[in-house]
Amino acid sequence: EDQVTQSPEALRLQEGESSSLNCSYTVSGLRGLFWYRQDPGKGPEFLFTLYSAGEEKEKERLKATLTKKESFLHITAPKPEDSATYLCAVRTDSWGKLQFGAGTQVVVTP
Amino acid sequence: DAGVTQSPTHLIKTRGQQVTLRCSPKSGHDTVSWYQQALGQGPQFIFQYYEEEERQRGNFPDRFSGHQFPNYSSELNVNALLLGDSALYLCASSLLDRMGSYEQYFGPGTRLTVT
Repeated sequence: EDQVTQSPEALRLQEGESSSLNCSYTVSGLRGLFWYRQDPGKGPEFLFTLYSAGEEKEKERLKATLTKKESFLHITAPKPEDSATYLCAVRTDSWGKLQFGAGTQVVVTP
Repeated sequence: DAGVTQSPTHLIKTRGQQVTLRCSPKSGHDTVSWYQQALGQGPQFIFQYYEEEERQRGNFPDRFSGHQFPNYSSELNVNALLLGDSALYLCASSLLDRMGSYEQYFGPGTRLTVT
C-alpha cells in the first residue's frame, strides 16, 4: 500500500534559523511529488512539483529536493511569514489522484 | 485570472441532512478533484471528474456523489450526513496532461460542520 510520511509533525524556528522538512514515500511508481503550503482555514497553495531523483527546485527561501525514497523541503533564513503547514503529496497514476502526508506545521518566531 | 472558487465558505448542517458544495475551476482547467481534510490531517481524495464523468474514486461511501457540468464547474453532494463528515472540503482543478506535467490548484475550501 502506498504511504507518505512527513516529519517532524511540528517545527518551531527562530527567524533566520534554517531547517529541513522531510517527506518519505513508499509507492509503486512515482509520477510526481508535490509540495504545498497551507495557512490555517485555507486551501493548500501549490509550491513545487518534482518528477525524478536528483531534481531540485527553488522559490525564494524554499528549496525542494527529491531522492528515490524521500523529498526534503529546505527553508533558508525563514521569516515569520513562512509560518504555515507544509504538505507533500505523491501522484502515482495518469489521472492525477494525490495522496497527501499529514503535514509539518512550521512556526517561525521573530 | 480567477483562481479556483468554492461556495459556500461555511456551512452548518444537522446529522441526517443532505448538503451540496460547489466549485468553479481555474480558467482553462478541465479536471476537478474533491478532497476531504479533517482537522490536523492531510487532504483525502474523494473523487475526480473529467469530461463530466467520475474518473477516479477514493475510499468514500456512496453517500458522497458528484457532478461536473459542461462549463467544467462541479458539485459535491453528501447524503445522510454523519458527525464524522465535519471537515474542510477542498476542490482542486487541473488541466489533464497524460504526459505528466500538470499541477492541481486548490480553492479556499468549504468548512462543513455537522451537529
